Amino acid sequence: ETGVTQSPTHLIKTRGQQVTLRCSSQSGHNTVSWYQQALGQGPQFIFQYYREEENGRGNFPPRFSGLQFPNYSSELNVNALELDDSALYLCASSVGPPSQETQYFGPGTRLLVL
Amino acid sequence: GENVEQHPSTLSVQEGDSAVIKCTYSDSASNYFPWYKQELGKGPQLIIDIRSNVGEKKDQRIAVTLNKTAKHFSLHITETQPEDSAVYFCAASSIHSGYALNFGKGTSLLVTP
Repeated sequence: ETGVTQSPTHLIKTRGQQVTLRCSSQSGHNTVSWYQQALGQGPQFIFQYYREEENGRGNFPPRFSGLQFPNYSSELNVNALELDDSALYLCASSVGPPSQETQYFGPGTRLLVL
Repeated sequence: GENVEQHPSTLSVQEGDSAVIKCTYSDSASNYFPWYKQELGKGPQLIIDIRSNVGEKKDQRIAVTLNKTAKHFSLHITETQPEDSAVYFCAASSIHSGYALNFGKGTSLLVTP
């Protein structure tokens, strides 16, 4: 176990709705990265937060947004859900500032959009 | 951006045999290469990583080799056991990607008794 927790574990939404996913980082870690993993694919980078600021972003539209809180926990928000948003959403925590430090993943939240 | 390719997509070996998974990357500035194991219903778990100032790293039955000139790196698992069965992902990161991990598509390893 990595000490990274995510909630909820599973979620079902309908197209057009909004969703919020949560992540608690491992103790001592101040950087959180979010990844989307479609079925049968490798994780794809969404964005990263360091000290409550977005530090980098992958090729995802603005309806994917996030927050990091003073305790370094983080939220991923997705607006106007589309069917293709169905995936496993993973967060990973690491010791910042962002560098070659190891990223430790949580168990993920599986989102199904109908 | 960085492109990581991973082969093979599936690999079946008998218990006790060795397994090798290979990855190539495109960004010559990439300098950190972790390998993750993902079991069904779980998040990826780091099993070994290597940085660009090292050519090889070993941890018990697992080893990783890196060839920066050819831009490829490989995972070697010796004396495989049924509990090694899982999906394995390679990844690469560089300052160009803000140190985000760029993953390969994964290798499904099956170890049969």
